[in-house]
Amino acid sequence: SSELTQDPAVSVALGQTVRITCQGDSLRNYYASWYQQKPGQAPVLVIYGKNNWPSGIPDRFSGSSSGNTASLTITGAQAEDEADYYCNSRDSSGNHLVFGGGTKLTVL
Amino acid sequence: QLQLQESGSGLVKPSQTLSLTCAVSGGSISSGGYSWSWIRQPPGKGLEWIGYIYHGGSTYNPSLKSRVTISVDRSKNQFSLKLSSVTAADTAVYYCARGYSGYDHYFDFWGQGTLVTVSS
Repeated sequence: SSELTQDPAVSVALGQTVRITCQGDSLRNYYASWYQQKPGQAPVLVIYGKNNWPSGIPDRFSGSSSGNTASLTITGAQAEDEADYYCNSRDSSGNHLVFGGGTKLTVL
Repeated sequence: QLQLQESGSGLVKPSQTLSLTCAVSGGSISSGGYSWSWIRQPPGKGLEWIGYIYHGGSTYNPSLKSRVTISVDRSKNQFSLKLSSVTAADTAVYYCARGYSGYDHYFDFWGQGTLVTVSS
């Protein structure tokens, strides 16, 4: 079983704000990174570290962390944001990496 | 712009060894501070980290460690995955990715992925 837990599915109305969460003990010590994956495509990094964007990622994506929970927030969700989202971090030992189970985001 | 490209057999028989290679272009695999990972995704399921290689050695997912070997060929700027004793459960899209490996870790570049099917 994954050491990082995500809600399987979340929905948001077009233009509204949505938060996708990731829980795990290792997140008390390590930041999560977040990946967007659309059908048939490779994952794309959208947030890393405390709250950093790779080049080309819109600033409507933001990250935060509190205790054992990391969050990805999309402010003003667009139709093109509909995708699967995965969190990733080191595990509790710090020696290995682990993904959350993924959250399917639907934009209504 | 860094690019990664997976290649290898798309069909492997049960009990045999899966072998894949990831060719890196647009940058050197010997650059410090980075790890080079294999990640897989069974059809319709989530991502699973298999392991990575870095300047200090290699680290594997404990659940796969007994069957996995990741190696690097710096002369060819590529790294490889071998997964032994495969079963149908190893059928997946296999991705290679570059990781920034500091205190935290994140994958900044990914290959397009290659589907490997385990079937007789």
